[in-house]
Amino acid sequence: SYELTQPPSVSVSPGQTARITCSGDALPKKYAYWYQQKSGQAPVLVIYEDSKRPSGIPERFSGSSSGTMATLTISGAQVEDEADYYCYSTDSSGNHRKVFGGGTKLTVL
Amino acid sequence: QVQLVQSGAEVKKPGASVKVSCKASGYTFTSYDINWVRQATGQGLEWMGWMNPNSGNTGYAQKFQGRVTMTRNTSISTAYMELSSLRSEDTAVYYCARDGSGLGTWGQGTLVTVSS
Repeated sequence: SYELTQPPSVSVSPGQTARITCSGDALPKKYAYWYQQKSGQAPVLVIYEDSKRPSGIPERFSGSSSGTMATLTISGAQVEDEADYYCYSTDSSGNHRKVFGGGTKLTVL
Repeated sequence: QVQLVQSGAEVKKPGASVKVSCKASGYTFTSYDINWVRQATGQGLEWMGWMNPNSGNTGYAQKFQGRVTMTRNTSISTAYMELSSLRSEDTAVYYCARDGSGLGTWGQGTLVTVSS
């Protein structure tokens, strides 16, 4: 079955740029989405269709995709950005099946 | 405002079934797919499947094929997810989410505990 691969953890100091990657064979043809989940809360969509930011999401969140890798970038990460981040996409089989990456714990301290 | 409100926590015995509801408000229910996602304690998000509330068409993750059924009642703007043959590994928080260029609106989650 289709898989998206993320690093388990990323750590940065406040004000630094955090980059979280997501690799998957279908990403050249399928959009990537990114979700932020803080402890005990439902996930929140922070990037859709590779690079678009929903209203209300701070400008420091951005996304890009090239080849088989999508990247979530948090420019000037803040303490409140500490959370789990998940990428999400569709496989290319035509079944419209979706999949989440394994998640990346972002630590900002 | 757009909102999804899920039914309350459930405790089930192994082998039983559970049916979780997800009531939509603030938008036209039939205009957006509903997806179901679960998360075991301390684990990642797991996509279970989608349903088109207009047509009733569904698509399920291979892992749950044969065990999950997603339905809806358009007259009360409510989606349902039923999981059968429950086992302890199904203990998790189950979320519904509206799909409109990504899963932009989520329910509050429903804890399903499977225990003898």
